Amino acid sequence: GAVVSQHPSRVICKSGTSVKIECRSLDFQATTMFWYRQFPKKSLMLMATSNEGSKATYEQGVEKDKFLINHASLTLSTLTVTSAHPEDSSFYICSADRDGTYEQYFGPGTRLTVT
Amino acid sequence: AQKVTQAQTEISVVEKEDVTLDCVYETRDTTYYLFWYKQPPSGELVFLIRRNSFDEQNEISGRYSWNFQKSTSSFNFTITASQVVDSAVYFCALSEAHGSSNTGKLIFGQGTTLQVKP
Repeated sequence: GAVVSQHPSRVICKSGTSVKIECRSLDFQATTMFWYRQFPKKSLMLMATSNEGSKATYEQGVEKDKFLINHASLTLSTLTVTSAHPEDSSFYICSADRDGTYEQYFGPGTRLTVT
Repeated sequence: AQKVTQAQTEISVVEKEDVTLDCVYETRDTTYYLFWYKQPPSGELVFLIRRNSFDEQNEISGRYSWNFQKSTSSFNFTITASQVVDSAVYFCALSEAHGSSNTGKLIFGQGTTLQVKP
């Protein structure tokens, strides 16, 4: 099966610091990956579409300078939350679009807590 | 604009009951995909089904079944003989078909929390 990993699974950081979250497709290539954010008891909100070798496409209202996305290879996308603040605390989930199948596989999520 | 509505916020049933989770969608695309995902308390999304807009056949997989009605823009999900392990949040989602300008990004409904009591 197709597996997507995320690292770290949980992170606690102090306000003002930056946090990097990795999303890896372990056994398939993914030209396109997606980053979602989920607040408690809420739905998933798409933040951006990450494209290998090109700039990410951000959804309306998502600050690109705040949430830096890099998709350096066909199996890795990273999301960096810069100068994190308590309101950035959330559950971040990535997904990878398996090349050639139109099937999207989700990572286990990263719970970010900013103190 | 695309939209997915799951009107049922929370459903509570007793084990062995059948339960149907509703999903209504809006799209102007003629080609699209519909999905159901399960999110247990651990948080990881579990893929359940993907349905192409051209395939209106209902599908059954074990205790799970899906009813796709294009005429009413609905894609409902039924769990037969529910079990405690079915307790989770269930999301319905819609994606554009892949193409020169479409990335296949998913639009999620609000989710339905299902609680199955023993």
